[in-house]
Amino acid sequence: GDSVTQMEGPVTLSEEAFLTINCTYTATGYPSLFWYVQYPGEGLQLLLKATKADDKGSNKGFEATYRKETTSFHLEKGSVQVSDSAVYFCALTLTGNQFYFGTGTSLTVIP
Amino acid sequence: ETGVTQSPTHLIKTRGQQVTLRCSSQSGHNTVSWYQQALGQGPQFIFQYYREEENGRGNFPPRFSGLQFPNYSSELNVNALELDDSALYLCASSLGAGGPADTQYFGPGTRLTVL
Repeated sequence: GDSVTQMEGPVTLSEEAFLTINCTYTATGYPSLFWYVQYPGEGLQLLLKATKADDKGSNKGFEATYRKETTSFHLEKGSVQVSDSAVYFCALTLTGNQFYFGTGTSLTVIP
Repeated sequence: ETGVTQSPTHLIKTRGQQVTLRCSSQSGHNTVSWYQQALGQGPQFIFQYYREEENGRGNFPPRFSGLQFPNYSSELNVNALELDDSALYLCASSLGAGGPADTQYFGPGTRLTVL
């Protein structure tokens, strides 16, 4: 079935370090791909999305490129800040009426 | 513009009881989805409603049911509660027919504990 696999956490980085959180997917068609973020004590928020192969989603310095050949949608940021500490979820949908989320990757950024 | 709201914030029930959770969609949104998020896990899709009709369902038993009202607010009902139903229940609203590019806006969730 359709699913998302993302790297295990937790991830701890120093401020200004480079971040990569891996996400790979399995889907029967061509899904739309998303990264959601959950800050401590808050609900899920859409961080970025890409709806077709080779699209790059970007927001708040984060980027992810939809790679059909490797079925991946890795999240990257060149220089993380303490305020980026949160749990990050990769997700997909094929039709928009059923979504699949990964298990989440907890990121802690230390000053 | 108000965001997605959910009530109650927390709820404690005993095994075998029934529970109703409520969600008020963001203004103008006609699609609502419900998710179950167990501790340390990602959200699991329960179902989606579009204009008061069920528009998709995940792998959850029939004792999980829902309603969407004409004002697009929504309810999640769970009958015969089991201990494994303890989780954070999230609702998310979106504008449109739940197309793949639609952005979902999540509420803060209801924390259900089943004893």
